Amino acid sequence: GIQVEQSPPDLILQEGANSTLRCNFSDSVNNLQWFHQNPWGQLINLFYIPSGTKQNGRLSATTVATERYSLLYISSSQTTDSGVYFCAVGASGSNYKLTFGKGTLLTVNP
Amino acid sequence: DAGVTQSPTHLIKTRGQQVTLRCSPISGHKSVSWYQQVLGQGPQFIFQYYEKEERGRGNFPDRFSARQFPNYSSELNVNALLLGDSALYLCASSLGRLGSGSGANVLTFGAGSRLTVL
Repeated sequence: GIQVEQSPPDLILQEGANSTLRCNFSDSVNNLQWFHQNPWGQLINLFYIPSGTKQNGRLSATTVATERYSLLYISSSQTTDSGVYFCAVGASGSNYKLTFGKGTLLTVNP
Repeated sequence: DAGVTQSPTHLIKTRGQQVTLRCSPISGHKSVSWYQQVLGQGPQFIFQYYEKEERGRGNFPDRFSARQFPNYSSELNVNALLLGDSALYLCASSLGRLGSGSGANVLTFGAGSRLTVL
């Protein structure tokens, strides 16, 4: 099956700093989503972005499908940004499921 | 408008018992997917249902089963519980079957049911 690798596994920032999270995947995809999981376990959909670039406030994402990677940018980080960020992909040949990476644990200190 | 609702939120079972978890999708969503998340890992796909039919199944034993009702709500059943079944079980809904179009592909997750098996 498709492999999803996220980096870095852990990231510690001071409030106000910027960061870039990366997601590499091993096969062509027709579905890619970024999620934020808060400390209580709730998964929040941030972006549906199988290709191209999107922005939502301080967050933006870019997927280069031909090179099999996606990036999530967080600018001017806040303590409420803390949590685990997951990249999840749906492979073109098995589009009924999403395969998640192991996530990036982000800690933003005041 | 209510989001995806799951029940119960927490439960404790002993080995060998059976458990049923419930999920109500967002109104208008016809697809429900179930995922298992063990501590420290990303969610892992169990099932997808669309229009009351199973459209996909992950690499889980036959002890795991699910169904979708005419109102699009869903139940996940796990029989003969093992210690390793302890996890957060997540339900997600989407407009349509994954892969059928950009709007249909966005998953919205519920808060999960946290199962502890002793």
